[in-house]
Amino acid sequence: GQQLNQSPQSMFIQEGEDVSMNCTSSSIFNTWLWYKQEPGEGPVLLIALYKAGELTSNGRLTAQFGITRKDSFLNISASIPSDVGIYFCAGQRSGAGSYQLTFGKGTKLSVIP
Amino acid sequence: DSGVTQTPKHLITATGQRVTLRCSPRSGDLSVYWYQQSLDQGLQFLIQYYNGEERAKGNILERFSAQQFPDLHSELNLSSLELGDSALYFCASSVSDTNYGYTFGSGTRLTVV
Repeated sequence: GQQLNQSPQSMFIQEGEDVSMNCTSSSIFNTWLWYKQEPGEGPVLLIALYKAGELTSNGRLTAQFGITRKDSFLNISASIPSDVGIYFCAGQRSGAGSYQLTFGKGTKLSVIP
Repeated sequence: DSGVTQTPKHLITATGQRVTLRCSPRSGDLSVYWYQQSLDQGLQFLIQYYNGEERAKGNILERFSAQQFPDLHSELNLSSLELGDSALYFCASSVSDTNYGYTFGSGTRLTVV
């Protein structure tokens, strides 16, 4: 199945730094979501975006739905050690088979105290 | 605790065998989704059930099957197992069949030897 192109694959940052990651696709999505996965756990929903151009915040997290509907980015401000994990973008496409999500391969974030 | 319960947490089995993974959705959720997570393929959608009926099918092999029972719990059956089937299998649930706010369980780690 198609996957989203998520970058970077991994990041090592200093505590307190801002982080930015993004997802692109050759296809249009109606919904973009960002999940975080920690070791031994399932992905946890962070932010959901439903309209092109939408900018949504959740605490130190900010995500945007690209106006072309083919991309999204996630920013984390003032990173802290508990931000460590793998961040996944996911898109949902309208039409046949519209209920499942297509996931990116993830961005592994490491925060150095 | 996400409210989605998956059992067992770990499973080790031999090639050619058959296993059953079980999922209890969050209370009140009617929709159940199964995903496979492997290192090289990322999170891949397998199948979705809504209130006992199959709703959508993704990259699910013919050797795999699933069902959702009247009490809404779901089982994923994997047969004629191959080494390449080793992966994390996640179940997720949501209230409706178009709600994108999935809640994931902690997964079942399957190792085929």
